[in-house]
Amino acid sequence: GAGVSQSPSNKVTEKGKDVELRCDPISGHTALYWYRQRLGQGLEFLIYFQGNSAPDKSGLPSDRFSAERTGESVSTLTIQRTQQEDSAVYLCASSTRDRREQFFGPGTRLTVL
Amino acid sequence: KQEVTQIPAALSVPEGENLVLNCSFTDSAIYNLQWFRQDPGKGLTSLLLIQSSQREQTSGRLNASLDKSSGRSTLYIAASQPGDSATYLCAAVSSGNTPLVFGKGTRLSVIA
Repeated sequence: GAGVSQSPSNKVTEKGKDVELRCDPISGHTALYWYRQRLGQGLEFLIYFQGNSAPDKSGLPSDRFSAERTGESVSTLTIQRTQQEDSAVYLCASSTRDRREQFFGPGTRLTVL
Repeated sequence: KQEVTQIPAALSVPEGENLVLNCSFTDSAIYNLQWFRQDPGKGLTSLLLIQSSQREQTSGRLNASLDKSSGRSTLYIAASQPGDSATYLCAAVSSGNTPLVFGKGTRLSVIA
């Protein structure tokens, strides 16, 4: 596609429910990143995929967070048993291996009531 | 651990003024540095990417410089316009396969 796309654009859920967020990277981009931006805060790294290598999960805040990616395509970020502090905009980015210029999607705004 | 700082946190200027946004980073072993723009409620738009071997990059009215030895980058905006009003973020990639480390941004307001 022309750019990184994310769905849904907005998600409202109740505390304790599970949510799945989706990211479609730019075609041909081998690297995919998830970030989180809480209100009034900077961007926090969550997880990074590079091709078929093991993902870098060092930014995941708890074991309630997980992500998968199939090959070099779509990724899903799953948050289990959501808490109010999970409310944030979740941003996905992709890049090529060499240049590593990251291109971001529009984000998913998650609100946990 | 890489840390990125942006000064000032907010800036208000009259239309037409030239301005400089500052970014500093603690680890000079960077792979590249990227400047983004973020409009309220929107995602990030990549403005300029400077590879570690480069000193500056230009795009239209924007010019970004990189000085690894001092751990600094600047974003110069010429002849500012109200449409330039946004938050500008600086982010660095350290060597190896690491994610971007972001500064907290500079919120720019250009007053007509």
